[in-house]
Amino acid sequence: EAQVTQNPRYLITVTGKKLTVTCSQNMNHEYMSWYRQDPGLGLRQIYYSMNVEVTDKGDVPEGYKVSRKEKRNFPLILESPSPNQTSLYFCASSFLNSPLHFGNGTRLTVT
Amino acid sequence: GIQVEQSPPDLILQEGANSTLRCNFSDSVNNLQWFHQNPWGQLINLFYIPSGTKQNGRLSATTVATERYSLLYISSSQTTDSGVYFCAVDNYGGSQGNLIFGKGTKLSVKP
Repeated sequence: EAQVTQNPRYLITVTGKKLTVTCSQNMNHEYMSWYRQDPGLGLRQIYYSMNVEVTDKGDVPEGYKVSRKEKRNFPLILESPSPNQTSLYFCASSFLNSPLHFGNGTRLTVT
Repeated sequence: GIQVEQSPPDLILQEGANSTLRCNFSDSVNNLQWFHQNPWGQLINLFYIPSGTKQNGRLSATTVATERYSLLYISSSQTTDSGVYFCAVDNYGGSQGNLIFGKGTKLSVKP
């Protein structure tokens, strides 16, 4: 089944403890991206990648890192999480100029 | 950067009614998509429609790129249509892949 898989679905952590949210797609898509969704602010793009080894900042990249070493994987790394990074995170992928497919989301709480 | 405005912000319908959701954008776009976020938080792609008209069952969408707006039509609404509808664009003159989302239209369909 074609899908975008994010893990974990829920994560509670403490300030400063490094964490990684994984994202994997099995559709051979070139484009992958990360978003955060917050009440009143909608969906905002964190980082995106047009292909392997190519990553670019979105609108809210501060405090996040990404890597795209393989086409199927695009992990989101929080080196030192802070409470203002508590949010609902979505990974998505697509072929270029094609419909975007989202994962089911990761709800992160940083205390 | 490009601005995306959706209207109305909230919409309540009786089952069976029709509705039109609007997305205005402030600059030329390379990419425009409509999404439905269901009450469980899943984001589903409805249309990839940078220009022209498309139909999928009870839903259809029209983008008039020269006038910088897109419309999503929902006919014979059902309770399962409830949720939030987002449009997203990337700027033709900007970074392809930097997707900007509108704040969404929250639709509630009453039985």
